[in-house]
Amino acid sequence: DVKVTQSSRYLVKRTGEKVFLECVQDMDHENMFWYRQDPGLGLRLIYFSYDVKMKEKGDIPEGYSVSREKKERFSLILESASTNQTSMYLCASNLQGASTDTQYFGPGTRLTVL
Amino acid sequence: QKEVEQDPGPLSVPEGAIVSLNCTYSNSAFQYFMWYRQYSRKGPELLMYTYSSGNKEDGRFTAQVDKSSKYISLFIRDSQPSDSATYLCAFNTNAGKSTFGDGTTLTVKP
Repeated sequence: DVKVTQSSRYLVKRTGEKVFLECVQDMDHENMFWYRQDPGLGLRLIYFSYDVKMKEKGDIPEGYSVSREKKERFSLILESASTNQTSMYLCASNLQGASTDTQYFGPGTRLTVL
Repeated sequence: QKEVEQDPGPLSVPEGAIVSLNCTYSNSAFQYFMWYRQYSRKGPELLMYTYSSGNKEDGRFTAQVDKSSKYISLFIRDSQPSDSATYLCAFNTNAGKSTFGDGTTLTVKP
């Protein structure tokens, strides 16, 4: 059974703080993704990675960076958190080259920036 | 214009009703069509996927794709309270990235 875990379910941070969101998958998937989910805006791709140390910008990368030092772990970094980054953050993974393959999602981290 | 438009909802139906959830899309490169279900405070999970026009059934669920009209639907027969969730349509190109609809929240009342 595929498992994608995220480091926190709920997080409250202050404006200007550096925030780390961690994601770990246990199925040896090459691809990993970070999304944010907002009411009325759906799921929007922030960054994705198709291999260790590889990353590509998604649709809304501004204000975010990522790190993938190990295959199973993909981190999202908010260098200086702002209130408009208050959102639900979802991590997902799937196999490389599998266009039809489902993405397996973690439970999400609800981040509030005050 | 957004690549994917999903009927916004929310939708509230009595138990046993037939539910229709719908999405339209504009990107002709979309080749794979999926429906995810997301329960409250959980991540989305795949419900059904298909790659061809026509219908695909799985128990009480039917996914319908009309490529010529760029329209997909998910039908739920004999809806149950346990079907209460947000449903997301999703589309893949051959590159493997997914584009999601905004989601439709369904409540099935006992």
